[in-house]
Amino acid sequence: GDSVTQMEGPVTLSEEAFLTINCTYTATGYPSLFWYVQYPGEGLQLLLKATKADDKGSNKGFEATYRKETTSFHLEKGSVQVSDSAVYFCALSWRYGGSQGNLIFGKGTKLSVKP
Amino acid sequence: EAQVTQNPRYLITVTGKKLTVTCSQNMNHEYMSWYRQDPGLGLRQIYYSMNVEVTDKGDVPEGYKVSRKEKRNFPLILESPSPNQTSLYFCATATGVSYEQYFGPGTRLTVT
Repeated sequence: GDSVTQMEGPVTLSEEAFLTINCTYTATGYPSLFWYVQYPGEGLQLLLKATKADDKGSNKGFEATYRKETTSFHLEKGSVQVSDSAVYFCALSWRYGGSQGNLIFGKGTKLSVKP
Repeated sequence: EAQVTQNPRYLITVTGKKLTVTCSQNMNHEYMSWYRQDPGLGLRQIYYSMNVEVTDKGDVPEGYKVSRKEKRNFPLILESPSPNQTSLYFCATATGVSYEQYFGPGTRLTVT
């Protein structure tokens, strides 16, 4: 079945460091891909998305590119801030078919940014 | 303001005592879903609904019930809660077009 694998955490970085969180997926076909962020004590918020191969999603300085050759959607940010400390989830879903709309999540990666 | 609300936000209960967690949205979204979040397991889908009176099982439906009698509400019912249902629960909604999901603030449930 479909699945999402993301790098284990926690990840601890200093402020202004470069961030990469790896995400790969297994699916038949080309799903939509998402990154969600969960700040402490809050629900999940959509951070960025890509709906087809080679699309780049971006928001708040974060970027991820949908790579069908490597079935990957790695999250990057050039310079992290303390306020980026959160748990990041990679996810996929389908726009069509029997399970349309249902999100399949990775297990999450906790990021801590120190001043 | 577009909102997904859940009640209660925190609940401690005992084994076997029926409870309902409510979810309500004001965005007129067709799609609604329930997830549970557990350490080391991420989020797993419990039930989802594509529209009024249409519900279906997710990955972990055992011990849960749902109903969708009106578009804005999607309550999660635990008829006989057990300690293994202690978890953080999230409701989410989406349009039937983009399926970009909006999450509620979560309900932390403890079953003793």
